[in-house]
Amino acid sequence: NAGVTQTPKFRILKIGQSMTLQCAQDMNHNYMYWYRQDPGMGLKLIYYSVGAGITDKGEVPNGYNVSRSTTEDFPLRLELAAPSQTSVYFCASSYSGSGYTFGSGTRLTVV
Amino acid sequence: QQQVKQSPQSLIVQKGGISIINCAYENTAFDYFPWYQQFPGKGPALLIAIRPDVSEKKEGRFTISFNKSAKQFSLHIMDSQPGDSATYFCATPPEAQGGSEKLVFGKGTKLTVNP
Repeated sequence: NAGVTQTPKFRILKIGQSMTLQCAQDMNHNYMYWYRQDPGMGLKLIYYSVGAGITDKGEVPNGYNVSRSTTEDFPLRLELAAPSQTSVYFCASSYSGSGYTFGSGTRLTVV
Repeated sequence: QQQVKQSPQSLIVQKGGISIINCAYENTAFDYFPWYQQFPGKGPALLIAIRPDVSEKKEGRFTISFNKSAKQFSLHIMDSQPGDSATYFCATPPEAQGGSEKLVFGKGTKLTVNP
């Protein structure tokens, strides 16, 4: 039982490049989330999903897109990367009413 | 957007001491108050949570105290150990929607426990 798996762990992007951060969970959780963590700022919600085919914006969605075609996978797409997107990204999942299980994170640097 | 004010930003405690971290929230449609613990290079992990039909919940050395009228809740770590050194986050559900999903997190408290 792997929990929440995020890939890659580290990535350096040039300004204007695009990439997809992968997230997969094997706990059959219906809810999935993407957060970004910046030093001293806590965790900010980017997008979330309450089930396959359903996604919604969080607090800081600009510059990102998501899709949820299966219960297990919830990739985060960055289009036209900007320095402001330098951050640590965490994917999480939960079953309704339970605590979150977080992945180990992706550290992204945009130069 | 729900605001969660967490304090202090950093905390240094001697081994065996009590660590206390506080959070204040504005409003919530659903009473669920978790604390998460994060070690460097790792994702946060659920430490303890309370649904305040009770004012206090204890799990080992960790206790959540909840004051609904003051809209505050706190984490107490008794007999703090160097292994407790981590960043701690409180969280609450958003104001506009009920349920424990879509949590709003505090900015975190970096706890250092000196040997």
